[in-house]
Parts: sequence; C-alpha cells; structure tokens
Amino acid sequence: AQTVTQSQPEMSVQEAETVTLSCTYDTSESNYYLFWYKQPPSRQMILVIRQEAYKQQNATENRFSVNFQKAAKSFSLKISDSQLGDTAMYFCAFMSREGNTPLVFGKGTRLSVIA
Amino acid sequence: NAGVMQNPRHLVRRRGQEARLRCSPMKGHSHVYWYRQLPEEGLKFMVYLQKENIIDESGMPKERFSAEFPKEGPSILRIQQVVRGDSAAYFCASSPWGDTIYFGEGSWLTVV
Repeated sequence: AQTVTQSQPEMSVQEAETVTLSCTYDTSESNYYLFWYKQPPSRQMILVIRQEAYKQQNATENRFSVNFQKAAKSFSLKISDSQLGDTAMYFCAFMSREGNTPLVFGKGTRLSVIA
Repeated sequence: NAGVMQNPRHLVRRRGQEARLRCSPMKGHSHVYWYRQLPEEGLKFMVYLQKENIIDESGMPKERFSAEFPKEGPSILRIQQVVRGDSAAYFCASSPWGDTIYFGEGSWLTVV
C-alpha cells in the first residue's frame, strides 16, 4: 500500500519570503500522480499543483512550484513571495495510475504566513 | 461550470438518528469519492464510486455506513444510527476519468 509522509506538522514564514514544504512517499509503482492541496480556514480543499510521475520537468503554477525527485520519492512544494492568504493546511497526496485507486493523503503541514 | 456541490453544508443529528449527505459531481465527471476528516487530522478515504457501481469501499466502516451513486441524481453517503464519533467533515470529490480529483466544500456533521 502507498503511504505519504509529511514530516513538518507546522511551519511559519514571513510575508514575501519563500518556504518549502516536504513530502515523501512510498510506492512500488512507476506510473502515478502527485498533488498538493491547500485547506484554508474555510476548510475547502483546493488543488494547488499536480505532477505526473513520467514527466521529468517540475510542475509550476504561478508562485507555487515543486521539486520532484522520483528516485528519492520526494515531492516538495515551494511557495515564493508568500502572502497572508497562503496561510492554510497543506496536504501532499498520491494517486496511482495503475487501476482504480483512491487518493492517499499525508497528515498535512500547517503553514502560517506572518506579516 | 459549477464545482462539486455538497449539501447540507452543516448537519446536526442526535445519537441514533440517520444522516444523509449528498454530492453532485462536476458536470461530465463520472467518478465520485467520499473522504472523512476528523478534527486536526488529514483526509481518510472512505469509498469510490462510478455510476451505479461501488469500485472501492475499503475505507468504509463495516456497519452503519453506505454509499450510492445512482444513474440519475447525486451520490448519497448514508450513516445510520449515528454516534458521537461520527462527528466529522465529510468531503466529496469527483474526477472525469480517475485523473485529477476536485473536492466539494465539505459537509460538517455534528452528533449531539
């Protein structure tokens, strides 16, 4: 079974600075997706970014980018120019492309952006 | 294009009552997932459905919980004889073909 580990329960960053959230995962598969979701105080789950494992190029969405290291099974999220609205729980998630399998989440990292 | 719609957003039930949570997937999405989030925890998978079929229910408690996704209408997560431990946020998500999953805003169940 796949597992996702987020080793940082809480992090904080000054407004306008850059922060990196860590995520590692364990799988024997080679074909899968990785995601970062954001859950602000409103509790809605918002997709931040997606990475397909067969793509070597790291995904980027505006101020959000990932560092995908397939061999190391690492998938970190970098937030540049942090904004107060980035304050939220961030969840890393794994989904296999091999068969009908659900999204598996890590336990989350609580990020606080400080003015 | 409306997102994943869940209702009710908040539901209060007394112990022993039934709770029904509804989920309308995004237009064109035929895959529906239900997740549960306990306070201060991550999301735990419950069940994965396609139209009229349960694909994976490995995360569903064996008793009192059931889910359906009929040919017509929303997906329903049903909890019978609720207990205090069922108090949680229940998230529905949908995807077009098992690819990227989009979440609804959640339904908060409080059992008193």
